[in-house]
Amino acid sequence: AQTVTQSQPEMSVQEAETVTLSCTYDTSESDYYLFWYKQPPSRQMILVIRQEAYKQQNATENRFSVNFQKAAKSFSLKISDSQLGDAAMYFCAYSSYGQNFVFGPGTRLSVLP
Amino acid sequence: EAGVTQSPTHLIKTRGQQATLRCSPISGHTSVYWYQQALGLGLQFLLWYDEGEERNRGNFPPRFSGRQFPNYSSELNVNALELEDSALYLCASSLALALNEQFFGPGTRLTVL
Repeated sequence: AQTVTQSQPEMSVQEAETVTLSCTYDTSESDYYLFWYKQPPSRQMILVIRQEAYKQQNATENRFSVNFQKAAKSFSLKISDSQLGDAAMYFCAYSSYGQNFVFGPGTRLSVLP
Repeated sequence: EAGVTQSPTHLIKTRGQQATLRCSPISGHTSVYWYQQALGLGLQFLLWYDEGEERNRGNFPPRFSGRQFPNYSSELNVNALELEDSALYLCASSLALALNEQFFGPGTRLTVL
């Protein structure tokens, strides 16, 4: 069965600095998707960024980028120029065709002014 | 385009009662997922429906059940409520058979007294 691990329960970053959240996963599939979701204190979960496993190029969305290492089964999220609004729980997730999504336990990110 | 909606927003029940939670997916989405999120914790996968069929269920007792209607909306039923069932219940929808991004609703906060 697929598993997703986030080894950092909590992280903090100074406003305007850069932070990297770690995620590793385990799968025997070759084709799959990886996601980072953000859940602010108001609780609505939203997608931050998505990576397709067959694409070697790392996905980027404005200040958010990933470091996807397929062989190492690693999928880290880098947040540049951190803002107060980035404070949230961040969940790494995995999906493959015909399988339900698998979420990691989450990393709580605090942004210090 | 309307997002995923859930009702009610809050639900208060007593031990032994039954709770019914409802979810309407984004138009065109056929898959609906249910997750339980205890306070401050990660998402625990409950159920996945697609095209009216139950595709998978998580490690929860049979008193957690649900169904998906022809219009793809879904109900989650929890029978014989226990105190530890108190949690945020999140519904998400996606295009068919996973792989694609999940879109989350705002959740239903269930409190069992």
